[in-house]
Amino acid sequence: QKEVEQNSGPLSVPEGAIASLNCTYSDRVSQSFFWYRQYSGKSPELIMSIYSNGDKEDGRFTAQLNKASQYVSLLIRDSQPSDSATYLCAVSYGNKLVFGAGTILRVKS
Amino acid sequence: SAVISQKPSRDICQRGTSLTIQCQVDSQVTMMFWYRQQPGQSLTLIATANQGSEATYESGFVIDKFPISRPNLTFSTLTVSNMSPEDSSIYLCSVTGAGELFFGEGSRLTVL
Repeated sequence: QKEVEQNSGPLSVPEGAIASLNCTYSDRVSQSFFWYRQYSGKSPELIMSIYSNGDKEDGRFTAQLNKASQYVSLLIRDSQPSDSATYLCAVSYGNKLVFGAGTILRVKS
Repeated sequence: SAVISQKPSRDICQRGTSLTIQCQVDSQVTMMFWYRQQPGQSLTLIATANQGSEATYESGFVIDKFPISRPNLTFSTLTVSNMSPEDSSIYLCSVTGAGELFFGEGSRLTVL
C-alpha cells in the first residue's frame, strides 16, 4: 500500500510568518514529489515540484526533499491570507500520483 | 500546461441514475486520469485511460460502476452508474505534462 501522510491541521499562522507543511511517504522508489494548493470548491493547483534532495525555491515557496528520511516539506514565507487553503502533498509511484489527505492552512491577518 | 475542460461542472442526480462526465484537453495526451474527491477527503485515483485500450482501474473501482471511454487523444468520458448518495463527490479529469499532473475544474455531483 502506497501511503502519503500529512498532518490534517488546521495549521494557523499569523500574516507575515513562515508556514511549514510536512509530508512523509512510504515507498523509497518514489522519484517525483509535488505540492498542490486547493481552495475550497476549486480543483487542485500545482505550486511546486521537486525531484532531487535538497531545497527548491520559487518566489515565497520552498520545497525541501529528503529521500533518505522519506520526507518532503513546503515552506511558505511571508504568509498572506490568500495562502489560506488546503495543501496536498503528492508522490509519484510509477506513472501515478498518490495524494496525502492534505493540510489546512489558515493565515490570520 | 494543458487546458482541461470538464462538463458538467456540477449536477444534482437521483439515486439509481447514471451520469456521464466529459473531459476535453486542448492538446493530444497519451494518458488521462480520473480522480474522485469525496467530501472532506483527498484525491483517489479511479482509473487511467489510454487511447485505444481499456482503462486501467485502481483497487476498489470497477468498470461496471465507472465505465470510461477514450475515443481519441484529446477526449475522455467517465460514467458514474447506478448512483447512490455515496457517489456524491467531485470527479476530476487530469493529464500529465512535462512530468507534472494538471487538473480540470472538476465535476461536482450530488446524489439525492
